[in-house]
Amino acid sequence: SAVISQKPSRDICQRGTSLTIQCQVDSQVTMMFWYRQQPGQSLTLIATANQGSEATYESGFVIDKFPISRPNLTFSTLTVSNMSPEDSSIYLCSVELGVASYGYTFGSGTRLTVV
Amino acid sequence: GDSVTQMEGPVTLSEEAFLTINCTYTATGYPSLFWYVQYPGEGLQLLLKATKADDKGSNKGFEATYRKETTSFHLEKGSVQVSDSAVYFCALRPSGSARQLTFGSGTQLTVLP
Repeated sequence: SAVISQKPSRDICQRGTSLTIQCQVDSQVTMMFWYRQQPGQSLTLIATANQGSEATYESGFVIDKFPISRPNLTFSTLTVSNMSPEDSSIYLCSVELGVASYGYTFGSGTRLTVV
Repeated sequence: GDSVTQMEGPVTLSEEAFLTINCTYTATGYPSLFWYVQYPGEGLQLLLKATKADDKGSNKGFEATYRKETTSFHLEKGSVQVSDSAVYFCALRPSGSARQLTFGSGTQLTVLP
């Protein structure tokens, strides 16, 4: 199964600044998914990132706020831009374990606090 | 659209008690169903899955059966341990070309010694 290295694991940021989160996968994957987990809540999909094309964003999320890069099949970044305290959440990346297995693995998450 | 409804938490049990966490879903066709677990301070781990009706997923003493007739995927364990204390998420992946997961709200389980 794929292993994802996600960093940073946590950060405390000033409002108005931006933070870029990185996910490195130890194998090539077609799709990478970015989720947000607000305090005490479930996971909400932000966007799906395919290599070589623009990310597909879910309702309520826009590229200007959450730009995503996917330069190759093993790496992706999510930037949280112009942060406010409401952006304080855990951000997670995820990949599918393989078409036949119908499972997904997740990075360990980035715990972001905006002050 | 697709949705997953989990029983409200938190759930507190004594060690060796029987656990049931209810999960029902709304989706067209035959989605794949999952249970994920999040231990304190850690990321999500796949606990078990089922990809077609009447499949039973099992792992670490936990079981869940895909019931198409009741659109349910309830999580059960016969005898919980303190180490099972975590947040449990039910999730589905829709049938068809969409690949992303839709999660339930999560259920916090605390097991007391």
